This record gives sequence, C-alpha cells and structure tokens, in this order.
Amino acid sequence: AQTVTQSQPEMSVQEAETVTLSCTYDTSENNYYLFWYKQPPSRQMILVIRQEAYKQQNATENRFSVNFQKAAKSFSLKISDSQLGDTAMYFCAFMTLYNQGGKLIFGQGTELSVKP
Amino acid sequence: EPEVTQTPSHQVTQMGQEVILRCVPISNHLYFYWYRQILGQKVEFLVSFYNNEISEKSEIFDDQFSVERPDGSNFTLKIRSTKLEDSAMYFCASSENRNQPQHFGDGTRLSIL
Repeated sequence: AQTVTQSQPEMSVQEAETVTLSCTYDTSENNYYLFWYKQPPSRQMILVIRQEAYKQQNATENRFSVNFQKAAKSFSLKISDSQLGDTAMYFCAFMTLYNQGGKLIFGQGTELSVKP
Repeated sequence: EPEVTQTPSHQVTQMGQEVILRCVPISNHLYFYWYRQILGQKVEFLVSFYNNEISEKSEIFDDQFSVERPDGSNFTLKIRSTKLEDSAMYFCASSENRNQPQHFGDGTRLSIL
C-alpha cells in the first residue's frame, strides 16, 4: 500500500525568505503523480504543483518548485520569496498512474506560517 | 475560474439521523470524488465516481455511505444512521479525467451530536 509522510507538522518563515517543506512516500509503482496542495484558512484546497514520476525535470510554478528524488522517494516543495498569502496548510499527495479511480493519498500536512 | 461548490458549509445532525451532503462539480469534469478529514488527521479518500457508477471506494465507504448524481449537475454523499465518529470535514472534488488534477470545494463541516 502506498503511504505519504510529512514529518514537519509546523513551520514558519520570514516574509521574502525561502522555505522547504519535506515529503516522503512509499510505493512499489514506477509510474505515478505527486502533488502539493495548499489549504489556506478559507479551507478550499488549491493545487500548487504537480510532478509526473516519469519526468526527470523538477516541476516549477512561479515561486514554487519541487525537488523530486525518485530513488529516495522524496518530494520536497520549495517556496521562494515567501509572501504572507502563502500562510496555509500544505499537503503532499500521491496518485498511482494505473489506479482506476484516481484516488489521492495525502500526507498529514505541514502548517506554514509566513511572518512579516 | 470555475469552482466546485459544496452545500451546506456546516451541518449539525443528531446521531442516528441521515444526512445528505451536496456538491456541484465543475461543469465539464467527468470524475467526481469525496474525501473526509477528521479534525487533526489526514485527508482520507472515500469514493470516486465516473460514468454514473463508483470507480473505487475505500474501506471507510461501507454500506452506511452512498453517492449519487441525481441530475446533470449535482453529486451527493448520503450518510445513513450517522455516528459520532462521522464528524469531520467532507470535501468534494472533480477532475476532467482520471489523470488530471482534482479541484476541491470548500468542504462541509459535519457535526454529529
């Protein structure tokens, strides 16, 4: 069974600085997707970034980038130039490519606070 | 930008009663999902739905639960004979196809008394 682990329940960062959130996962599959979702206090979960396991290049989306280490089963999220609006719960999630139902498996979440 | 909408935002129900949580997925999406998050715990997959039938369900999704797409726009989760441990935030999501990102609603907070 696949599992996703986020070992940092809480993190804080000063505005404009860089922060990295950790995620590890366990799977025997070779093809899958990894995601980072953001859940601000307003509650709606928003997709931040997606990585296909078959792509070696790390995904980037503006100030957000990932460090995908397939052999180590690690998928960390780097937020550059942190902004107050980045304050949220961040969830790492996994989806196998061959799953019929499209089930997402989530980590426990990391609560990020960006301080002025 | 199109959004997934969920109603109500908060539902309070007596233990043993039935509750229906409602969702309107994004209009051109074909896959629909329900997840739940018990306070302080992980977001957990409940069920996925495609072409008017369940694609996959978790072990949590037992006979107490059912899903339905009663018309062209709504997607509902029914919980029969609610229990205290059903108290959680329930999220609906939808995606264009199975491998596309899922878009989530704001969630319904269900409180069982």
